[in-house]
Amino acid sequence: SQQGEEDPQALSIQEGENATMNCSYKTSINNLQWYRQNSGRGLVHLILIRSNEREKHSGRLRVTLDTSKKSSSLLITASRAADTASYFCATEKGGGADGLTFGKGTHLIIQP
Amino acid sequence: SAVISQKPSRDICQRGTSLTIQCQVDSQVTMMFWYRQQPGQSLTLIATANQGSEATYESGFVIDKFPISRPNLTFSTLTVSNMSPEDSSIYLCSVIRTAYNEQFFGPGTRLTVL
Repeated sequence: SQQGEEDPQALSIQEGENATMNCSYKTSINNLQWYRQNSGRGLVHLILIRSNEREKHSGRLRVTLDTSKKSSSLLITASRAADTASYFCATEKGGGADGLTFGKGTHLIIQP
Repeated sequence: SAVISQKPSRDICQRGTSLTIQCQVDSQVTMMFWYRQQPGQSLTLIATANQGSEATYESGFVIDKFPISRPNLTFSTLTVSNMSPEDSSIYLCSVIRTAYNEQFFGPGTRLTVL
């Protein structure tokens, strides 16, 4: 598998439910970033979690990072129809400020 | 964050032609990046564009096909040369902001090659 690979690839839930997406990576990281993309448009930066952090919150988003397992999860609580989008995790290719390697993404559909 | 604009937002081009995509940032940044997103796929880094030096290309991408300019700290262009239908993709530029290297993306250019 490639650096920053998400699962599931697709997820469909009812509005109001929580959605959890997972990301795995292979090499050591300084940080991991999560993005949202609506219908093939530009990427919206959601959250960055540093390697020395275990959990981070932003509104209805909760991100965890387990560097021992090289994995991260994104939880969206109380989902809304507007959360329908593709979600990607990304890690820096090198050790510092660098281009990103993206996972394949999770396509999330929120059913009204 | 950062305000990043791209031009054009979309274009339909004929095989064999070239298209230059512009990326403008609202303030000076050292590093800019170009990515490609093929239909239904994730993003792939094409190259890193630093002002005052040649762009650094990732494996599978070459300067003759994707020439990049970086004339100043707020602007960059990516040219897709001698296009084929396989070049149909969304092309996105990005910049790094904040001390934690948060990377922000432009709205993308949707290219269709006939």
